[in-house]
Amino acid sequence: GENVEQHPSTLSVQEGDSAVIKCTYSDSASNYFPWYKQELGKGPQLIIDIRSNVGEKKDQRIAVTLNKTAKHFSLHITETQPEDSAVYFCAEQEYGNKLVFGAGTILRVKS
Amino acid sequence: GAVVSQHPSWVICKSGTSVKIECRSLDFQATTMFWYRQFPKQSLMLMATSNEGSKATYEQGVEKDKFLINHASLTLSTLTVTSAHPEDSSFYICSASSGTNQPQHFGDGTRLSIL
Repeated sequence: GENVEQHPSTLSVQEGDSAVIKCTYSDSASNYFPWYKQELGKGPQLIIDIRSNVGEKKDQRIAVTLNKTAKHFSLHITETQPEDSAVYFCAEQEYGNKLVFGAGTILRVKS
Repeated sequence: GAVVSQHPSWVICKSGTSVKIECRSLDFQATTMFWYRQFPKQSLMLMATSNEGSKATYEQGVEKDKFLINHASLTLSTLTVTSAHPEDSSFYICSASSGTNQPQHFGDGTRLSIL
């Protein structure tokens, strides 16, 4: 089946620094790549997404880059704040709207 | 926009009982809803996909007679865990999408504990 690899599994940064999480996928037909933030005891929240016809997308402190040739995409968070601490999941969309999720990254922002 | 409400948020019940979880899209019509299960410190595992008015499509290894899914309207899907046992204890999360290639928006999950 399709697979999404996500790295790192845990990431600690100092408040104000940048955080980068990377994902690699295997299905060359995938064309939609969302990122979700999940806080403890809650459901995942869509924070940014990108489609295959775009190489980069930015929304305030959050950006996503996509390299279709290399089949990887990354989440970039700048000027991190304590409230950015959460688990982040990348995903790729298959046929029928099914999402394949990465294993998740625990981000800790230290103040 | 794109709010998905899931109810209840937490349920504790005795072994052998059935539990129904509701998933509602509050401000959009959800042609497709998804049900996931998440174990502690793990990623989301898709259980089934349901399209409004159709039978749900279950992932391999998920018992359709154990996890009954109904998607009778464009704003409501329900998951019923029948004759629940302790091994069914988990965090169940639904998501909803307004159409093909549209984003999935998630509810806040239901923590199910079977004693």
